[in-house]
Amino acid sequence: AQKITQTQPGMFVQEKEAVTLDCTYDTSDPSYGLFWYKQPSSGEMIFLIYQGSYDQQNATEGRYSLNFQKARKSANLVISASQLGDSAMYFCAMREGRDSGAGSYQLTFGKGTKLSVIP
Amino acid sequence: DSGVTQTPKHLITATGQRVTLRCSPRSGDLSVYWYQQSLDQGLQFLIQYYNGEERAKGNILERFSAQQFPDLHSELNLSSLELGDSALYFCASSPGTGLSTDTQYFGPGTRLTVL
Repeated sequence: AQKITQTQPGMFVQEKEAVTLDCTYDTSDPSYGLFWYKQPSSGEMIFLIYQGSYDQQNATEGRYSLNFQKARKSANLVISASQLGDSAMYFCAMREGRDSGAGSYQLTFGKGTKLSVIP
Repeated sequence: DSGVTQTPKHLITATGQRVTLRCSPRSGDLSVYWYQQSLDQGLQFLIQYYNGEERAKGNILERFSAQQFPDLHSELNLSSLELGDSALYFCASSPGTGLSTDTQYFGPGTRLTVL
């Protein structure tokens, strides 16, 4: 089974509008972390936001916020006031396992959502 | 700029050849991860090193190997290259402190084209 599912291959949003990118995850581990990365057409992977499984509040970083619904196993990224520079691929990723110091914390990625911001 | 550097940025080579990709982690980071991004497989974890020691292996082929040196830079060696090895190879680094917010920061990637 897919551990990270991003059901929207592509999305369009009008400039200055808000947009939600969906991500659902599957894990039986009680301790995990969820990450969102942005990949512009230039190719680099840019870290956007992190949510820990034990965090009580939804994470926010500037215009990015994470709508974390633990019971539904969803971690949707909300981008407010979209800008043309937000056009990119967005990847949701999960790290499983309790931190025990220098452990193995590889990320499992979803297939991504291509966001296009329309002027 | 994430602070992670990768060289070269582009690499074009022929089938059967061997190449080495280099990564320098962010200052202070002890963990280095290698990922492969291809159109058909998406982003896949290959291997992780922590402070010079191999920590975890993912979907890494036997033709591929890696190491992390005392100065913490890492190299990924790809040999007997095949057309299907063409991909974007990322290096990422993290502090490896064990804190819950241990975040991986990615380098710009090396685009490998095998002809």
